[in-house]
Amino acid sequence: GQQLNQSPQSMFIQEGEDVSMNCTSSSIFNTWLWYKQEPGEGPVLLIALYKAGELTSNGRLTAQFGITRKDSFLNISASIPSDVGIYFCAGQTSGAGSYQLTFGKGTKLSVIP
Amino acid sequence: NAGVTQTPKFRILKIGQSMTLQCTQDMNHNYMYWYRQDPGMGLKLIYYSVGAGITDKGEVPNGYNVSRSTTEDFPLRLELAAPSQTSVYFCASTLLAGGPVNEQFFGPGTRLTVL
Repeated sequence: GQQLNQSPQSMFIQEGEDVSMNCTSSSIFNTWLWYKQEPGEGPVLLIALYKAGELTSNGRLTAQFGITRKDSFLNISASIPSDVGIYFCAGQTSGAGSYQLTFGKGTKLSVIP
Repeated sequence: NAGVTQTPKFRILKIGQSMTLQCTQDMNHNYMYWYRQDPGMGLKLIYYSVGAGITDKGEVPNGYNVSRSTTEDFPLRLELAAPSQTSVYFCASTLLAGGPVNEQFFGPGTRLTVL
């Protein structure tokens, strides 16, 4: 099946610092999604990207859809303690199977106050 | 709206036992999914359904069965529980309404341990 490589696996940062994480694939995706999962909860959608090269923001979060369609990046500016959680990227292809998402393994973010 | 609800939250099973994980959504979504999440891993798709009466296998269907008799409910059945099925199970749903299928809404999960 398709694989998404998400990095880094984990990060420890000081409150106020900016964070960057990325996701790469050997396959092309038509949609990239970024989810956040907090302990004991299901993933919650943060940002959805639909076009190659698209840059989308949601508050302090900014995500980009790579022009090759094989990667995506998520940046968090001025981190705060409530940013703690696991961030997942997910890719979706079109055509048969377009209703399915492929998930990365996640980036675990810890914020030190 | 309650969104996607799952029961139970936690369960411990003995090897060979069976159980059904319940999932209900009240958003009138046509697509529903079951994932499992193992430690340090992403979500793996077990089964999905594109509407009542229609189900199909995902990436890791072995050892599981599903049914979709109504739009709202999508139960996941484990017939002979094995330790390899110890995991956190998430149900999700989305609405296909002429646009891209993308935003899947997730339930809070069921943590299952098989001993």
